[in-house]
Amino acid sequence: IAGITQAPTSQILAAGRRMTLRCTQDMRHNAMYWYRQDLGLGLRLIHYSNTAGTTGKGEVPDGYSVSRANTDDFPLTLASAVPSQTSVYFCASSDAGGNYNEQFFGPGTRLTVL
Amino acid sequence: GQNIDQPTEMTATEGAIVQINCTYQTSGFNGLFWYQQHAGEAPTFLSYNVLDGLEEKGRFSSFLSRSKGYSYLLLKELQMKDSASYLCAVMDSNYQLIWGAGTKLIIKP
Repeated sequence: IAGITQAPTSQILAAGRRMTLRCTQDMRHNAMYWYRQDLGLGLRLIHYSNTAGTTGKGEVPDGYSVSRANTDDFPLTLASAVPSQTSVYFCASSDAGGNYNEQFFGPGTRLTVL
Repeated sequence: GQNIDQPTEMTATEGAIVQINCTYQTSGFNGLFWYQQHAGEAPTFLSYNVLDGLEEKGRFSSFLSRSKGYSYLLLKELQMKDSASYLCAVMDSNYQLIWGAGTKLIIKP
């Protein structure tokens, strides 16, 4: 593994189904983030984690949950998918040791909810 | 509320210079980032400004004026591979990034 990986690359999902998007990083970064990107809008933060064992809500957390059991993994779960959750989802990580906080992004998951 | 504004789309000619502007209103300021995003790909880091002035990195430069809530990204000697979206993001008082919608840059031969 080099950097951040996400799985799956893309997924078509029926409304009401449960789905977990996976994210793994091997850079030993302490902070991780989940964003969604929709056409015409900026990246919007869903949830974040500043360190293993802690999580926080971002701008658009409703309908999503996360966990951070260890440093490397940060899965995002949609408990009951709805069509408005159709989007491209990016996971990111950063070495949040100070003010300079460059975020490194995974390749994204394209999710379609029908 | 927090707001980042940048033009939706710009067109420029190969070999020329283009300036992409970004204005912001955020709760607190802990730095401004520029990212590049090619279609269908992830954003990648270009530059970071936390103090006023110009930061130069090869063909790309970024400028910041904190008093005006303003930044620009300057791209010189444009190449076709520079066709991409350019995202402006500000780190707020909670050290979270607030993102603009991005500027799609089209390079013509």
